[in-house]
Amino acid sequence: DGGITQSPKYLFRKEGQNVTLSCEQNLNHDAMYWYRQDPGQGLRLIYYSQIVNDFQKGDIAEGYSVSREKKESFPLTVTSAQKNPTAFYLCASSMRATETYEQYFGPGTRLTVT
Amino acid sequence: AQSVTQLDSHVSVSEGTPVLLRCNYSSSYSPSLFWYVQHPNKGLQLLLKYTSAATLVKGINGFEAEFKKSETSFHLTKPSAHMSDAAEYFCVVSVPSNDYKLSFGAGTTVTVRA
Repeated sequence: DGGITQSPKYLFRKEGQNVTLSCEQNLNHDAMYWYRQDPGQGLRLIYYSQIVNDFQKGDIAEGYSVSREKKESFPLTVTSAQKNPTAFYLCASSMRATETYEQYFGPGTRLTVT
Repeated sequence: AQSVTQLDSHVSVSEGTPVLLRCNYSSSYSPSLFWYVQHPNKGLQLLLKYTSAATLVKGINGFEAEFKKSETSFHLTKPSAHMSDAAEYFCVVSVPSNDYKLSFGAGTTVTVRA
């Protein structure tokens, strides 16, 4: 079954703790993305990666970090520096990072920080 | 830079009646345009995409959209709403000059009345 998996579905953390969200894809896609979604808003790009061992900041990268050591995996770490981390996080992938290739989305992880 | 505006934040229809979700975009280049649907606490699913081929695009679940360059619009329609169409819908644009980013509208929430 091809697709994108994100785990866990729900995550709870205390303020001041770093937390890592998992994203795995078996679609053989080159490009992977992390988005943040807040109520009533569209998606905002956090980080993206076009190839293994390379990634770029998106629009709201502050307080987040990523790695891309394998083509299939693109984990996102929400650090304690992120001032408002509670949100719904979506991972996506596309065949290439060009405009004609649609992005496929995972089911999301809802992070709550108290 | 490109941007997208969804003209209605909320649309309510009766089951069996037509659905119209309005989207305008701005772009200096020929855009690619997408409509995605998101059910509560789920990831986004691609409904359809326009990439400079036919201006009337048919998607999944009976949805279609028409690209009108003169009006810079990409409205989504469905002739007969079903209860399962209740969800949030996002209009998305991407352009060649910004080849890694999708720009998302703020979303339109669709409610279907029995």
